[in-house]
Amino acid sequence: KNEVEQSPQNLTAQEGEFITINCSYSVGISALHWLQQHPGGGIVSLFMLSSGKKKHGRLIATINIQEKHSSLHITASHPRDSAVYICAVGTSGSRLTFGEGTQLTVNP
Amino acid sequence: DTAVSQTPKYLVTQMGNDKSIKCEQNLGHDTMYWYKQDSKKFLKIMFSYNNKELIINETVPNRFSPKSPDKAHLNLHINSLELGDSAVYFCASSQDRVAGNTIYFGEGSWLTVV
Repeated sequence: KNEVEQSPQNLTAQEGEFITINCSYSVGISALHWLQQHPGGGIVSLFMLSSGKKKHGRLIATINIQEKHSSLHITASHPRDSAVYICAVGTSGSRLTFGEGTQLTVNP
Repeated sequence: DTAVSQTPKYLVTQMGNDKSIKCEQNLGHDTMYWYKQDSKKFLKIMFSYNNKELIINETVPNRFSPKSPDKAHLNLHINSLELGDSAVYFCASSQDRVAGNTIYFGEGSWLTVV
């Protein structure tokens, strides 16, 4: 069992829908990262958080340290949001442990 | 003005060859990384350097050797390439240890061993 579990693995939505991707982890962490991998392969950091909630445009990330759970929400989804979303947790030092990713497809 | 740049982007080579992937960051970061993404898109850390010093060396075959001539560069050399080495290799950097810092990725290098 992976130390970082994401759900769902695949998600298809219609444009405009509210989307939630979940991440659960089983280890103590210093911070949690949400990453976006575009269809072309590049990886972009969306959020880094260690408590509470962060918002950037239509994206919202929350974390509950006690429950070892984080969610990434996308409001008013758009086809350009189609990508793989990856949760990663920072443990000791420089180590990041990754989830397997969630493939999101938003249809027009 | 690419923050983390890696070359080449695509590399097709025969088994047994030796190849290198170069990485440079212009962000002034102290820490650099190499990650491998397998065919299932799963990312795993290979190496991490902080100020030219190796701080993470995962269970990676000795055929893989990182080299950091200065803190802005972290190159990956692979000897005696095998079919299983085919993957996408990502270089990345962060201001300091990654746990509490945003990490910046290069565009990836697609390695195909035939």
